[in-house]
Amino acid sequence: QVQLVQSGSELRKPGASVKVSCKASGYTFTTYAMNWVRQAPGQGLEWMGWINTNTGNPTYAQGFTGRFVFSLDTSVSTAYLQISSLKAEDTAVYYCARESSYGTDYWGQGTLVTVSS
Amino acid sequence: EIVLTQSPATLSLSPGERATLSCRASQSVSSYLAWYQQKPGQAPRLLIYGASNRATGIPARFSGSGSGTDFTLSISSLEPEDFAVYYCQQRTNWPRLTFGGGTKVEIK
Repeated sequence: QVQLVQSGSELRKPGASVKVSCKASGYTFTTYAMNWVRQAPGQGLEWMGWINTNTGNPTYAQGFTGRFVFSLDTSVSTAYLQISSLKAEDTAVYYCARESSYGTDYWGQGTLVTVSS
Repeated sequence: EIVLTQSPATLSLSPGERATLSCRASQSVSSYLAWYQQKPGQAPRLLIYGASNRATGIPARFSGSGSGTDFTLSISSLEPEDFAVYYCQQRTNWPRLTFGGGTKVEIK
């Protein structure tokens, strides 16, 4: 069965960096694009962008350029989200989610990133 | 950028009642609209794609309709497990996606 398993919660100080992983299983990793979605505490879903798992080419939504980097390691079917120069307002749950022709059909369990001094 | 506006923000209903949720797009998205359900502490789940097609395993009490700029998600008879937040998502200009602000369906 398709599964996306994300790394665990992270606590960072402002200015630090964090890297979230998303390991896929149950399907051919390079066949489907991978989205990243942010959800701030008590807020809605915000699409951050996606990465082409075949070419490694990322596309970032407005507001997610510069400090946010999507990457892959196809040898282990894993996608990564790295956020640098963390700010308090980056505190959120970050989801990876597979993109199919039907929709964003499988989601990771989410990774809570807390930025606090 | 296409903006999706969901209404109402909160819907207070009792189990067994019918729920009708609205999603309006700032410009036409044709039928490239999906609906998601999110329960507290859980990831979103795909309910409806292509405006009116139920995803695998989604009960028949969930239905979607609409095209262009106006869309509706209906739940024919609310079950206890249906109380959650629902989001619409436009997919017409993939690879750019946007979500609506969400509608919370709460127990009255």
